[in-house]
Amino acid sequence: DIQMTQSPSSLSASVGDRVTITCRASETIRHYLNWYQQKPGKAPNLLLYGASTLQSGVPSRFSGSGSGTDFTLTISSLQPEDFATYYCHQSSSTLWTFGQGTKVELK
Amino acid sequence: QVQLQESGPGLVKPSQTLSLTCTVSGDSFSSLDYFWSWIRQPPGKGLEWIAYTSYIGNTYYNPSLKSRVTISVDTSKNQFSLKVTSVTAADTAVYYCARVNNRLEGYFYMDVWGRGTTVTVSS
Repeated sequence: DIQMTQSPSSLSASVGDRVTITCRASETIRHYLNWYQQKPGKAPNLLLYGASTLQSGVPSRFSGSGSGTDFTLTISSLQPEDFATYYCHQSSSTLWTFGQGTKVELK
Repeated sequence: QVQLQESGPGLVKPSQTLSLTCTVSGDSFSSLDYFWSWIRQPPGKGLEWIAYTSYIGNTYYNPSLKSRVTISVDTSKNQFSLKVTSVTAADTAVYYCARVNNRLEGYFYMDVWGRGTTVTVSS
C-alpha cells in the first residue's frame, strides 16, 4: 500500500496568516493527489484534485503543488471559515489511502 | 445537482453484519465517468477508504478490510450498498458514501459526499 504522511498533524495560526501543509507519499503517485477540508460534524469537501486543480467553487486562496512524492497545500491568507482539518488522498493506484489529517486551529 | 444519502441501522451487535445503502439522486449514476465509494471515520480519527465500484460492478477494496467487505450496486434504484461482516467495536464509525469523479482519464477524486451515518457496534 502507498502510505501518505501529512505534516504537521496540527498547527495554530491567525486570520490572515499564510499556511502550508505537506503531504508525502511512500512512493511516487505522479500528480494523483487530492485535498479535502473537513469541519467538525460535516462530510469532507473537495478542495483540489490532480495536485493543483482547484475544484469549482473553492476560493482562490487555496492552492496546491507538487508531483511524485511531495505535495503542499497552501492557504494564502487564512480566513475564519478555514479553521478545519485537511486531508490528502492519493488515487494513483487502485488502492487509495488518506493522510492522517492536519488540524488548523486558531492561535 | 447530484445528492447522496446514506441509510441503515445505527446500531449493530458484535459479530453481526453491518449493511448500509447510499441513494443517489441526479443523472450521473449510470455513467462510466463516475465511480461510487464508501469511506469511514472512527470517532476522533481520520478518514479510511473502504471500497469503490462502477455502476457495472467493477469493484476495488481496501486490502485491510477486503475479507469482510462487499460493495454492490442496484442500478434500478440508483443505489449502491456496503456490507461489513463480523463487526467489532473497531468498526464503529461515521460511514460516508461519495461520488468519485473519473471524467478526466486517470484522475479519481471524490467530489460529492453524503452527510454520513453513524454506526455503533455494541451489544
